[in-house]
Order: sequence, then C-alpha cells, then structure tokens
Amino acid sequence: EDKVVQSPLSLVVHEGDTVTLNCSYEVTNFRSLLWYKQEKKAPTFLFMLTSSGIEKKSGRLSSILDKKELFSILNITATQTGDSAIYLCAVRAMNYGGSQGNLIFGKGTKLSVKP
Amino acid sequence: NAGVMQNPRHLVRRRGQEARLRCSPMKGHSHVYWYRQLPEEGLKFMVYLQKENIIDESGMPKERFSAEFPKEGPSILRIQQVVRGDSAAYFCASSPESRDIGQPQHFGDGTRLSIL
Repeated sequence: EDKVVQSPLSLVVHEGDTVTLNCSYEVTNFRSLLWYKQEKKAPTFLFMLTSSGIEKKSGRLSSILDKKELFSILNITATQTGDSAIYLCAVRAMNYGGSQGNLIFGKGTKLSVKP
Repeated sequence: NAGVMQNPRHLVRRRGQEARLRCSPMKGHSHVYWYRQLPEEGLKFMVYLQKENIIDESGMPKERFSAEFPKEGPSILRIQQVVRGDSAAYFCASSPESRDIGQPQHFGDGTRLSIL
C-alpha cells in the first residue's frame, strides 16, 4: 500500500531557529513530491520536486528530494511566528495511463514558532 | 485571479439528510480532486474528475457518496443520508491539463461538514 510518513508530528521552536521537517514515502510509480503549508484554511502550495538532489528554494524555505532513499526534507531558516502551521508532504504516483493523479498525503508536521 | 472556490464554508446537517458541497476550480483548470480531512489525520483522496468524466473514484465510499463535474457549473460532491462519521473538512483542489510531470494541485478553503 502506498504511504507517506512525516516526522516529527509536532515541533515547537523559538523565533530565529532553523527547522528540518522530514517526509519518507513508499509509492509505486513515483512521479513527484509536493510540500504544502496549511494554516486555518486551504493548504498552500510550496514546492514540487521531481528530481533527486536539486534543491528548490523560496526565501527562507528550501526543500530537496532523495529518490534513492525515498525521502524529502523541508528546511526553514530564521523561523518567524508566521511560519506556525501544519506542513503537509504529498506524493503523486502515475496512474490511469497519464501523468495526473491523486496525491497521497502524510499526516503533517505541526510547527509552532514561539516569539 | 480567483483561486479555488468552495461553498458553503460550513454546513450543518442532521443524520439522514443530504449534503451538497460545491467547488469551482481555478480559471483554466480542468481537473478537480476532492479530499477529506478528519481531525488529526492527513488529507485522504476521494475522487478525481475532469469535465463530465470521473477519472478515479477509488477513494470514495461506494454507498451514499457521489461526485460530478458537469460541462457547465461547479463540481458537486453529494453525500446522501449523512451519518455522524461523515463529519469532516472536505477540500477541493484543481490543476490544469498536463501531459508531462503533472501540475501542482491548488486547494480551496474547504467545507466543514458537521452532522448533528
């Protein structure tokens, strides 16, 4: 059965700290891995990763994928209280003869950044 | 540049009633996905639709649940004869057509369904 496991499930840090969130997966016909940030409402898209070893970066956030070891990490440097959210990792597998398909989500990491 | 629009934001139903959840995808997006999120759980895939077609409904219960995405108008997720266990947040996502690696799915704010 396809699965995505995130760790830790929750994390409390202070402003300015650097955090690393982990996501491992077991999926047949892997296509891509995506990270989302969920506050009170819609999950907001952060990154989509398809190739190993290529870091994606956006401001203080960065992410990288290791397709050999089947995991990804999401780094946040110089954390701010506004980074407090649930960070979701999702994997897309190819199915139904095309590139599109549903996402398989992990349970998320709840990050709390204290002032 | 409207995002994915879901309504209603909150829906309260009594056991045995029907619930209808609506989703309008982002402009230019032809793929719609429905997910369910239970407390302390991740998002679980339910159904994937394109215009007038159900592509994958492997995550949707066989009974009481149905979905459609008509040629005109929003996608509808319908739950008949609701039970307490249907209480959850239902999220809709959309993406554009892609024949390569796929496109990110963009999510709406969800509908929080409460069953009394």
